[in-house]
Amino acid sequence: QKEVEQNSGPLSVPEGAIASLNCTYSDRVSQSFFWYRQYSGKSPELIMSIYSNGDKEDGRFTAQLNKASQYVSLLIRDSQPSDSATYLCAVTTGGTSYGKLTFGQGTILTVHP
Amino acid sequence: GAVVSQHPSRVICKSGTSVKIECRSLDFQATTMFWYRQFPKQSLMLMATSNEGSKATYEQGVEKDKFLINHASLTLSTLTVTSAHPEDSSFYICSATHLTGRNEQYFGPGTRLTVT
Repeated sequence: QKEVEQNSGPLSVPEGAIASLNCTYSDRVSQSFFWYRQYSGKSPELIMSIYSNGDKEDGRFTAQLNKASQYVSLLIRDSQPSDSATYLCAVTTGGTSYGKLTFGQGTILTVHP
Repeated sequence: GAVVSQHPSRVICKSGTSVKIECRSLDFQATTMFWYRQFPKQSLMLMATSNEGSKATYEQGVEKDKFLINHASLTLSTLTVTSAHPEDSSFYICSATHLTGRNEQYFGPGTRLTVT
């Protein structure tokens, strides 16, 4: 079982719709959770971080964390064509691996006009 | 805030030569810097973790004598690819965590290395 798994893509949504990206992780001691956006040929860009259970909203983005279910998601409201990218879920744990990110395989999102 | 730069953005070198890539945190002090490599259509692969003033920790399978990392200050880390070969051609990306942050990693723009 992979440490961080994302829902298989690619995901295609029409402009204006809600895009839902999901991620599960296997290590119960995971502490910090991140969503990165990566455009083709570019480096990842941090768009959301979440550390405690519940929802965190930032503009059109909402991250949801459920530690009991080991699940983190990202909702993008009013999706725009410019949101088309690969979305990476990343998780950190403590201990000797402090600060190291474990990435999911990424979900390719396409928002079509 | 939290801007990370890399230099150069793109480099072409001949096989057998060495290439140095710089990673700088521009507006914050970085406790730790990370170096990644990404091949086309693949996920990021962590190569090493670098802390200021100490030796880098390399991931399994990454040759420390080939990929030399120096972390001279809280704002600068360098990666030197020694005796580069065509199979080293890749997209190299660094990231940094803020000294007072909650281990959020901010990525540099990446360096595209082509070895001919």
